[in-house]
Amino acid sequence: NAGVTQTPKFRVLKTGQSMTLLCAQDMNHEYMYWYRQDPGMGLRLIHYSVGEGTTAKGEVPDGYNVSRLKKQNFLLGLESAAPSQTSVYFCASSFGTGPYEQYFGPGTRLTVT
Amino acid sequence: QKEVEQDPGPLSVPEGAIVSLNCTYSNSAFQYFMWYRQYSRKGPELLMYTYSSGNKEDGRFTAQVDKSSKYISLFIRDSQPSDSATYLCAMSALSNYQLIWGAGTKLIIKP
Repeated sequence: NAGVTQTPKFRVLKTGQSMTLLCAQDMNHEYMYWYRQDPGMGLRLIHYSVGEGTTAKGEVPDGYNVSRLKKQNFLLGLESAAPSQTSVYFCASSFGTGPYEQYFGPGTRLTVT
Repeated sequence: QKEVEQDPGPLSVPEGAIVSLNCTYSNSAFQYFMWYRQYSRKGPELLMYTYSSGNKEDGRFTAQVDKSSKYISLFIRDSQPSDSATYLCAMSALSNYQLIWGAGTKLIIKP
């Protein structure tokens, strides 16, 4: 099992450019999450999904959109990148809510210049 | 004020020492408490999980929850250089499936 995979691993964007981050999991998990991690801020939830075709906003959703067309995939889009979106982005998935273990991908390092 | 406070460190200790990592929180509704370990340039991995108050032990690791003080701890005995990582606490309430994360403490074990 590959677990949770993320593509790309690194990306540099110019302000105003758009991109999509792809997350895939092979554990048949219903729940998927997108986080960003910044120094001193811990993990902050951007958007999450409780099943195929559903999405919901997390703590810091502005500037991002998501889609979950297939159960195994969760896409994070940046329509018009800003320097404030420079961060490390992690995707995670879990079997259930609350105390269920979240399995994380290796992260995507995004720099917006 | 953040819901979960965690000292970012770094905390540097010699090999073999007992390490104490801590988080405080403000939401009395939190019932589930977790510790994740994150190696450099990797995603976090679940290390330990406790429900409500009390202690839980797993090998060299012990997790403690003191709900009266809103304080959780992770102890590492006989620390090893391979324990060098960032340790994140996370917690959630029964009624809310979102995990609330601490900022993480960077731990360095010196050989």
